[in-house]
Amino acid sequence: NAGVTQTPKFRILKIGQSMTLQCTQDMNHNYMYWYRQDPGMGLKLIYYSVGAGITDKGEVPNGYNVSRSTTEDFPLRLELAAPSQTSVYFCASKEREGHMGDTQYFGPGTRLTVL
Amino acid sequence: AQSVTQPDIHITVSEGASLELRCNYSYGATPYLFWYVQSPGQGLQLLLKYFSGDTLVQGIKGFEAEFKRSQSSFNLRKPSVHWSDAAEYFCAVGARGSQGNLIFGKGTKLSVKP
Repeated sequence: NAGVTQTPKFRILKIGQSMTLQCTQDMNHNYMYWYRQDPGMGLKLIYYSVGAGITDKGEVPNGYNVSRSTTEDFPLRLELAAPSQTSVYFCASKEREGHMGDTQYFGPGTRLTVL
Repeated sequence: AQSVTQPDIHITVSEGASLELRCNYSYGATPYLFWYVQSPGQGLQLLLKYFSGDTLVQGIKGFEAEFKRSQSSFNLRKPSVHWSDAAEYFCAVGARGSQGNLIFGKGTKLSVKP
């Protein structure tokens, strides 16, 4: 049981390039999330998904896109990279909301630098 | 709107000393409350959470937190800090009935002196 895995761990992009951050979970969780973490700013929610085929915007969605074709995978797409997107990106997942739900399990993160 | 405030950006304690990290939240009803820890270069790990019931919550690694509704606080405590506790600690609040979205505080970095 690997939990939440993210690839790549590190990436450097040039301004205007595009890339996809991969996120996979093997816990059969319905809910998945993408956060970005900027120094001294905590985590901000970019997008989330409540199940395959259903996604919605979080607090800071501009410049990003997501899709959720399977329960396991929730990739995050950057179309035109900008320096403001330099950050550490975390993917997380959780079970359906229930009595003991609402615990989010986090991946190890992707450190992205845009130059 | 929900918000979380962690007033202390950086705290340094001596190994073996007690620790208290502060967290205040703003929410209209009783929220879900969480403490996560992030070691350098790592993802976030859940320390403990509060849903309902007993306001003193026990977590992993010897941590505990107390929910005080009157003060809108959920402070994290540990009676004796170990050098391995040096990390960044995040308090988070989640709304009941929401899609599970969490609002995080800005974090408190803990340094431990030998």
